[in-house]
Amino acid sequence: AQSVTQPDIHITVSEGASLELRCNYSYGATPYLFWYVQSPGQGLQLLLKYFSGDTLVQGIKGFEAEFKRSQSSFNLRKPSVHWSDAAEYFCAAGGGGATNKLIFGTGTLLAVQP
Amino acid sequence: DGGITQSPKYLFRKEGQNVTLSCEQNLNHDAMYWYRQDPGQGLRLIYYSQIVNDFQKGDIAEGYSVSREKKESFPLTVTSAQKNPTAFYLCASSPRTAAGYEQYFGPGTRLTVT
Repeated sequence: AQSVTQPDIHITVSEGASLELRCNYSYGATPYLFWYVQSPGQGLQLLLKYFSGDTLVQGIKGFEAEFKRSQSSFNLRKPSVHWSDAAEYFCAAGGGGATNKLIFGTGTLLAVQP
Repeated sequence: DGGITQSPKYLFRKEGQNVTLSCEQNLNHDAMYWYRQDPGQGLRLIYYSQIVNDFQKGDIAEGYSVSREKKESFPLTVTSAQKNPTAFYLCASSPRTAAGYEQYFGPGTRLTVT
């Protein structure tokens, strides 16, 4: 079955430290991959997406993600975290059919300490 | 300003009552989606629609119904048959129905049933 796994439920980093959020997928073929961010009580905002080509993808707010086919991973990174990055982050995968349905991971809640 | 609106932001109902959540988009998107979000479970797809007057069940459609009479509107009805309706509901839309297009999310409606 197709699935997206985010192994870390909750991560705490210090402001200014680097960040890596993990995402692994299980899919029949290489899926389209997305990272979304959600502030409390709000909708989701797209950070970045991978369709094909360059495996290092740049997104908004200084985020980037690297697609690694051999590891079935699409980890999100940021070199220096700001307090405003505290939010919940969702990895999603889609593709392989005639619809644009997405499968979401369960999310990683990021806390930033001063 | 183009976007997706969901109303109301908070909704309270008594058990046994049907309730309809509104979702409107002015992005001229073909596809629309309804998700349910519960803590620790990520987003789960309830229903989606690729074209006016057509919609398909997602992974957790039991106890829900939808309609798509207009391209810009995709209301969700939570019926009394839904065993655990209290949740955060998110509506999304996508420019095309084919795989690979990102989904744009509304701000969500928090439904509480007592």
